[in-house]
Amino acid sequence: NAGVMQNPRHLVRRRGQEARLRCSPVKGHSHVYWYRQLPEEGLKFMVYLQKENIIDESGMPKERFSAEFPKEGPSILRIQQVVRGDSAAYFCASSPPAGYNTQYFGPGTRLTVL
Amino acid sequence: AQSVTQLDSQVPVFEEAPVELRCNYSSSVSVYLFWYVQYPNQGLQLLLKYLSGSTLVKGINGFEAEFNKSQTSFHLRKPSVHISDTAEYFCAVSDRGQGAQKLVFGQGTRLTINP
Repeated sequence: NAGVMQNPRHLVRRRGQEARLRCSPVKGHSHVYWYRQLPEEGLKFMVYLQKENIIDESGMPKERFSAEFPKEGPSILRIQQVVRGDSAAYFCASSPPAGYNTQYFGPGTRLTVL
Repeated sequence: AQSVTQLDSQVPVFEEAPVELRCNYSSSVSVYLFWYVQYPNQGLQLLLKYLSGSTLVKGINGFEAEFNKSQTSFHLRKPSVHISDTAEYFCAVSDRGQGAQKLVFGQGTRLTINP
């Protein structure tokens, strides 16, 4: 029974490049969350998506960041024109569709911007 | 808006000693409460959660936590720790509103177990 999968696990980009982070939720889960963990800090909520819909993006930076969760395929967090301050661990979590449910976390993608 | 304060950024203890990791929260609405553990270079694993009912919640790996509504606290305890408990521990809350909700995390407490 596969858990939440994220790839790549490590990503290195130079300033100005684009970063694409992928998240495959637990099979049957239709809710996906993205969180960012800056060095020596806790996790901060970025965005909450259901299939083909963004439900809450209150934690997303206004520029350069976007997220999607298409009908088919993984959820994608996209960061355009990366800067050094984007270096962090990005975690995806998923939960089932019905009622209140626990969020299950993936192993994270560690983004390093040179 | 909700916030979570973990009162200790680092807690060193000796193996087989008891430990308490403190968590206080602030919220204008009722919340669900969680403790997650993060081992080095890994994702978060759920230790335990409080949704309703008994205020004493038991989780995995021998951990338990007690919800205290009047003190808005949800402290994590273990009566006897092992070297393998060395990790970062995060307290989190979410709104009790309908449907799935985002988690608000504390800053984390680094638990170090010394032999």
